[in-house]
Amino acid sequence: EAGVTQFPSHSVIEKGQTVTLRCDPISGHDNLYWYRRVMGKEIKFLLHFVKESKQDESGMPNNRFLAERTGGTYSTLKVQPAELEDSGVYFCASSHTVTKLFFGSGTQLSVL
Amino acid sequence: DAKTTQPTSMDCAEGRAANLPCNHSTISGNEYVYWYRQIHSQGPQYIIHGLKNNETNEMASLIITEDRKSSTLILPHATLRDTAVYYCIVRNPGTASKLTFGTGTRLQVTL
Repeated sequence: EAGVTQFPSHSVIEKGQTVTLRCDPISGHDNLYWYRRVMGKEIKFLLHFVKESKQDESGMPNNRFLAERTGGTYSTLKVQPAELEDSGVYFCASSHTVTKLFFGSGTQLSVL
Repeated sequence: DAKTTQPTSMDCAEGRAANLPCNHSTISGNEYVYWYRQIHSQGPQYIIHGLKNNETNEMASLIITEDRKSSTLILPHATLRDTAVYYCIVRNPGTASKLTFGTGTRLQVTL
């Protein structure tokens, strides 16, 4: 069974640019989540999709972040414009039930 | 959500059992104990979860005290590949997807 796949694995951009991260969940998983670890801090929840609907987006830091999940399959997380403090690792996870999440390997984002 | 307290780091010899403790003295009746781990440069990995009974799966065992104020994750035969940061998280099932990762315990398995 294929796991959660994230693209790209690394991204280096300049402050003010736009970056789009992609996540392909495990097939059949209606639940999809974004998490991130910034500046060596703890891993924090960003948001939760159920199919194409945003179930909980309470962890989104500000309106520079936009998450979409068109058609309830893959998801994208766009940061526009990127700031230095956005640097970190962005994890995507998916699940069939909410009790057991499967995480991808993450996207390392560096904003210079 | 109940706060958890874990030791910052632990060492374990390969082949021995690794016992990772977690205190959650303010846990409420409907909250489960979840364990995840993060191996370097990978995403977090689910290990096990439980409510009040001891649980075992192919990866580990979870022992929860009768008063539920603490628990222990047991890796019965630790290998070098078990070197990781282990997170103990207390959540109720309704919000179990909104995990709050603390600082965890860094387990170093050595030869």
